[in-house]
Amino acid sequence: NAGVMQNPRHLVRRRGQEARLRCSPMKGHSHVYWYRQLPEEGLKFMVYLQKENIIDESGMPKERFSAEFPKEGPSILRIQQVVRGDSAAYFCASWQRDIGEQFFGPGTRLTVL
Amino acid sequence: SQELEQSPQSLIVQEGKNLTINCTSSKTLYGLYWYKQKYGEGLIFLMMLQKGGEEKSHEKITAKLDEKKQQSSLHITASQPSHAGIYLCGADRGGTSYGKLTFGQGTILTVHP
Repeated sequence: NAGVMQNPRHLVRRRGQEARLRCSPMKGHSHVYWYRQLPEEGLKFMVYLQKENIIDESGMPKERFSAEFPKEGPSILRIQQVVRGDSAAYFCASWQRDIGEQFFGPGTRLTVL
Repeated sequence: SQELEQSPQSLIVQEGKNLTINCTSSKTLYGLYWYKQKYGEGLIFLMMLQKGGEEKSHEKITAKLDEKKQQSSLHITASQPSHAGIYLCGADRGGTSYGKLTFGQGTILTVHP
C-alpha cells in the first residue's frame, strides 16, 4: 500500500469552508474507492470511480459531497460547506480489477472547527 | 444487524502467545480481506482470500476462509509487540458490488512484552 498517495494528510477547515482531498492510486491501477472512518463508527464505503467515470456512489451523502477521477491527475473528493460531523479520516483504496487486491492510502484526517 | 461481525472486539495477550481473530458474514462472500491499522494511520494489506477452504500465510500470520465462504479466521503465532494494532476484515460481496468492501468493526490487539 506504499504506492497509494493521499494529500493532505491532515486538513483543518472551519464550518462552511470547502475541503478537497486528493488520492493518487498505485501505478497501473485505474480503480479508486473512497471510504470514510468516523469516530466510533468504523470504515464505510463512499464512492467507487474509474478514470472519468463514477461507477458506484451509493455511499456518498446526497448533498455537499462529490468525487471525480479525471483522465489525468489524482482522484478528488470534494466536500462543500463542511460541518463538524464531516470530521473523520478519509481513505482511498487503489484496486486492479483482475488481481483483486485492494491497497489503502495513509488517509486524510479532516477536522472541522 | 451487522453484516460482518468480528470477534473478539479486543484482545490482550502476552508476547509469545498465539491468538485468533474471527470474522463472520451473514452472507456468502466473494472475497475476504484482512488489514491491520495502527491508531491514526492507514490500513496495511495483509491477505485476501477468495476460494472456499483457502489458507494463506505470511510470516507468523495465517488466514483461512471456510468452505462455505462465510467465516474467516486470522491466526497469529508467537505474537510480538509489533503485531499490536487494529485488525479489520473486509468483505467483498461480488456481483455488482465487486471490489466494494464492507468492514467489520475491528479487533484491537494489545501485546504485552
